[in-house]
Amino acid sequence: AQSVSQHNHHVILSEAASLELGCNYSYGGTVNLFWYVQYPGQHLQLLLKYFSGDPLVKGIKGFEAEFIKSKFSFNLRKPSVQWSDTAEYFCAVKGNNRLAFGKGNQVVVIP
Amino acid sequence: NAGVTQTPKFQVLKTGQSMTLQCAQDMNHNSMYWYRQDPGMGLRLIYYSASEGTTDKGEVPNGYNVSRLNKREFSLRLESAAPSQTSVYFCASNGQGLEPQHFGDGTRLSIL
Repeated sequence: AQSVSQHNHHVILSEAASLELGCNYSYGGTVNLFWYVQYPGQHLQLLLKYFSGDPLVKGIKGFEAEFIKSKFSFNLRKPSVQWSDTAEYFCAVKGNNRLAFGKGNQVVVIP
Repeated sequence: NAGVTQTPKFQVLKTGQSMTLQCAQDMNHNSMYWYRQDPGMGLRLIYYSASEGTTDKGEVPNGYNVSRLNKREFSLRLESAAPSQTSVYFCASNGQGLEPQHFGDGTRLSIL
């Protein structure tokens, strides 16, 4: 079964700072990778996804992620965060029609 | 365009009571899922249904049962609620192949 590891569960940073969230996965087959965001009190929303092709994936709201197959990683980045990016971020890997989620990164952006 | 609809949004139960959480999707998706979300634990899969008429256990199925009533609806039942089942429950669905999952707004369940 697939598994996902996210580091630095709590991240606090100031507006305009750069954000990078790490995600490592383990799965023996072809992977489909996702980042979801959950704003306070809301459900999960898809930020971006990787299925194949260009390993640098651009998503909504200025987020991007890079798939590095040799490192089993799919790190999320944003060059300059805003207060509205305060949320919890989840990395997920799909295999056998099932999604496995990491434990999430709680990101707080201070104005 | 409702997407995935969950009811109720909030519920408080006493230990030992039973409860069914409802989920319906209007996107003609084949696959449906139930997750629970607990602080610091991410989302954990309880049960899923790859297609109408089939259900399978996920990571944390104990204490739960599910019914895939038809293609639209996938319910989650707690037969005898326990305080350890206090959580936020999310239903999700997706279509074939590589399509990402769409999530409902969640049900916040507290068991006293």
